[in-house]
Amino acid sequence: EAQVTQNPRYLITVTGKKLTVTCSQNMNHEYMSWYRQDPGLGLRQIYYSMNVEVTDKGDVPEGYKVSRKEKRNFPLILESPSPNQTSLYFCASSSDRTDTQYFGPGTRLTVL
Amino acid sequence: AQSVTQLDSQVPVFEEAPVELRCNYSSSVSVYLFWYVQYPNQGLQLLLKYLSGSTLVKGINGFEAEFNKSQTSFHLRKPSVHISDTAEYFCAVSGRGTSYGKLTFGQGTILTVHP
Repeated sequence: EAQVTQNPRYLITVTGKKLTVTCSQNMNHEYMSWYRQDPGLGLRQIYYSMNVEVTDKGDVPEGYKVSRKEKRNFPLILESPSPNQTSLYFCASSSDRTDTQYFGPGTRLTVL
Repeated sequence: AQSVTQLDSQVPVFEEAPVELRCNYSSSVSVYLFWYVQYPNQGLQLLLKYLSGSTLVKGINGFEAEFNKSQTSFHLRKPSVHISDTAEYFCAVSGRGTSYGKLTFGQGTILTVHP
């Protein structure tokens, strides 16, 4: 089954404790992206990647890091989380940016 | 730079009535445009997209949208809605050119269909 998986689905952590949210897709897609969703703000793109080792900033990259060492994986790293990063995070993939993006189920992160 | 404005945060309608969800965009280059739908506690699904060609785009579940370049709009329409269309709808834009992968979403419009 074609899918995008994210782990963990729910995470409660404390300020400053480094964390990683994993994202994996099994569709051999080149394009992957991370978004955060906040009420009234819609989805905002954090980072995107066009292929292995090719990443670029979206609209809200501050406080986040990404890496793309393998085509299927695109982890999101928060080196020192802060409460304003409490949000619902989505990973998505597609064959390219004009194609349908397939979204993961979301990760709800709470930073205390 | 690119941006998207969805003009209505909430749209209540009765079942079988027509609906229009409004989307305006801003971009310094020509664009690709998308509408996504999010059902409660789920990820997003693509409804339709405009890449080029005909300005009237038909999507899934009876939705359609019209690209209007002069008014920089991409409004979503459905002639007769169902209860199952209750969801949040997002308009998104991607500019052609150097920011190849950048995708900007609007704030979302919550469509509530009442019986």
